[in-house]
Amino acid sequence: KNEVEQSPQNLTAQEGEFITINCSYSVGISALHWLQQHPGGGIVSLFMLSSGKKKHGRLIATINIQEKHSSLHITASHPRDSAVYICAASPSDSNYQLIWGAGTKLIIKP
Amino acid sequence: GAVVSQHPSWVICKSGTSVKIECRSLDFQATTMFWYRQFPKQSLMLMATSNEGSKATYEQGVEKDKFLINHASLTLSTLTVTSAHPEDSSFYICSPRLSAGRAGTNTGELFFGEGSRLTVL
Repeated sequence: KNEVEQSPQNLTAQEGEFITINCSYSVGISALHWLQQHPGGGIVSLFMLSSGKKKHGRLIATINIQEKHSSLHITASHPRDSAVYICAASPSDSNYQLIWGAGTKLIIKP
Repeated sequence: GAVVSQHPSWVICKSGTSVKIECRSLDFQATTMFWYRQFPKQSLMLMATSNEGSKATYEQGVEKDKFLINHASLTLSTLTVTSAHPEDSSFYICSPRLSAGRAGTNTGELFFGEGSRLTVL
């Protein structure tokens, strides 16, 4: 079993829909990262969470430390949101190493 | 956010040649650099971790003599794929860890280069 599990693996939705991507982890963490990888390959950090909730534009990320679960939400989704979304955990016993989720490929249809 | 520049963004080379990929942190110092490789439709896989001024630490299964990493300064790290073979064709991406500079001390935030797509014929 992977230490960081993401679901769903693939998600196709219509423009405007509310999107939720889930991430569960089994290790103690110092932070949980949500990243976006565009078709060209570039990776952008969206959020770094250690507790609670963060919001940036139409993106919202939440984390429940007790349940070891995090979610990434996209409101009013748009075709330009189509990308692979990756969660990665920073283990609490390692300063720099990351444990990567497998990614969720999101396609938003116009 | 911090700016990371990776070059070349794509390269095509003949089998047997060597290819150098550069990763520069433009506005901060990075004592640690991570190099990842990503095959199509797969997750990023950590290849090696380098610290400025010291030898890189390679992950299991990654040949240190084939993938040469140099991290001679706090703003530049290079990955050289030596004697490239078609199976080395992949997307290579660097990720520096902020140590000091404009953005202050290491906050744990992640930064990535734009990636380099290598095709070996």
